[in-house]
Amino acid sequence: DAGVTQSPTHLIKTRGQHVTLRCSPISGHKSVSWYQQVLGQGPQFIFQYYEKEERGRGNFPDRFSARQFPNYSSELNVNALLLGDSALYLCASSLSGGTQYFGPGTRLTVL
Amino acid sequence: GEDVEQSLFLSVREGDSSVINCTYTDSSSTYLYWYKQEPGAGLQLLTYIFSNMDMKQDQRLTVLLNKKDKHLSLRIADTQTGDSAIYFCAESPQNRDDKIIFGKGTRLHILP
Repeated sequence: DAGVTQSPTHLIKTRGQHVTLRCSPISGHKSVSWYQQVLGQGPQFIFQYYEKEERGRGNFPDRFSARQFPNYSSELNVNALLLGDSALYLCASSLSGGTQYFGPGTRLTVL
Repeated sequence: GEDVEQSLFLSVREGDSSVINCTYTDSSSTYLYWYKQEPGAGLQLLTYIFSNMDMKQDQRLTVLLNKKDKHLSLRIADTQTGDSAIYFCAESPQNRDDKIIFGKGTRLHILP
């Protein structure tokens, strides 16, 4: 069975642009979470979605938004990109919460 | 509050045991996790322990939980070069199964 998949693997944007990152959960998992991992740090929680509803939100500005589709895949959107948004963005899936399985991540570089 | 602390570096000779330690602050955490991250890769779930357990063993991995001291450790027996990675300790706060709180990670370096 395929694990969590994310696209694209790498992305380069300039300040002020917006970006959309995509995630497909493990088959049968209904919950998707997003994390930001800045170089040298542990992942920081951004959002969790379950059954297309936002279940939890971390301490991130409103420039960050997400949604979940009927097939449980998810998109993370970031508007008005800042240099500090450069990071590895990780998606994790779980059955309904609890133990989370991570994808390979999307590395975003903002110039 | 929610915080997870772990040392940043550990060097171990190949064949020896590695012990990575972690402390957490949320005494109501339900699950505690160990994740492994290799360079340029995502996080791999290594093992987890439920908060009502003291120990869990899985092949070369042994997890010890001291709930009184809020201390978690991961022991890797017979450390190999392929174990070189960053190891993250993480907790799942009670009633918050939406998120996991991670430490900053311990970089394990294997000496020949």
